[in-house]
Amino acid sequence: SQQGEEDPQALSIQEGENATMNCSYKTSINNLQWYRQNSGRGLVHLILIRSNEREKHSGRLRVTLDTSKKSSSLLITASRAADTASYFCATDLYGNKLVFGAGTILRVKS
Amino acid sequence: NAGVMQNPRHLVRRRGQEARLRCSPVKGHSHVYWYRQLPEEGLKFMVYLQKENIIDESGMPKERFSAEFPKEGPSILRIQQVVRGDSAAYFCASSPSGGYGYTFGSGTRLTVV
Repeated sequence: SQQGEEDPQALSIQEGENATMNCSYKTSINNLQWYRQNSGRGLVHLILIRSNEREKHSGRLRVTLDTSKKSSSLLITASRAADTASYFCATDLYGNKLVFGAGTILRVKS
Repeated sequence: NAGVMQNPRHLVRRRGQEARLRCSPVKGHSHVYWYRQLPEEGLKFMVYLQKENIIDESGMPKERFSAEFPKEGPSILRIQQVVRGDSAAYFCASSPSGGYGYTFGSGTRLTVV
């Protein structure tokens, strides 16, 4: 069954604004990963946060993880039109598979 | 250093035909995973293979679907007697070891007419 659930399902913002996407999951995890998918393309790995980490940064990306609430957030600061894509969280427990959420569609208007 | 190569990019099959999807992992990666994505949905795990072994096939439909990762050559996802509901994007990922460093291919978009 699908474990991760993202919200919002869709988000539309102006260029330069920040975008925040949330992800909830149901079971224990070893790590949580965020991916970006441009329309009709493959997935690009953005960032991985381990279960013993609470926050991680990579460029304009900031990811938080709250294992007590089984939730994570992805913040994209100073968004650009090129950030327009679908964003998925995925959880990994035993290293044998990723469990993906349904994704958030982000549209950044220039 | 090529990434994960999937071919074909697009595949059209008539109902009842067979579909063969190929995945060449990143050089040196011995772990391969197949996922299926239906329109407007996230990816769903199908099968995890290491060279010549199926490690986890809990996401594979019980019938018509099979996967292999031979000692030599690409991993193959095979769908026999395709039906319209098999229309989806099929993604392959590889990693050097289980759990980290996944690299995804661009996918094969299967359309069953």
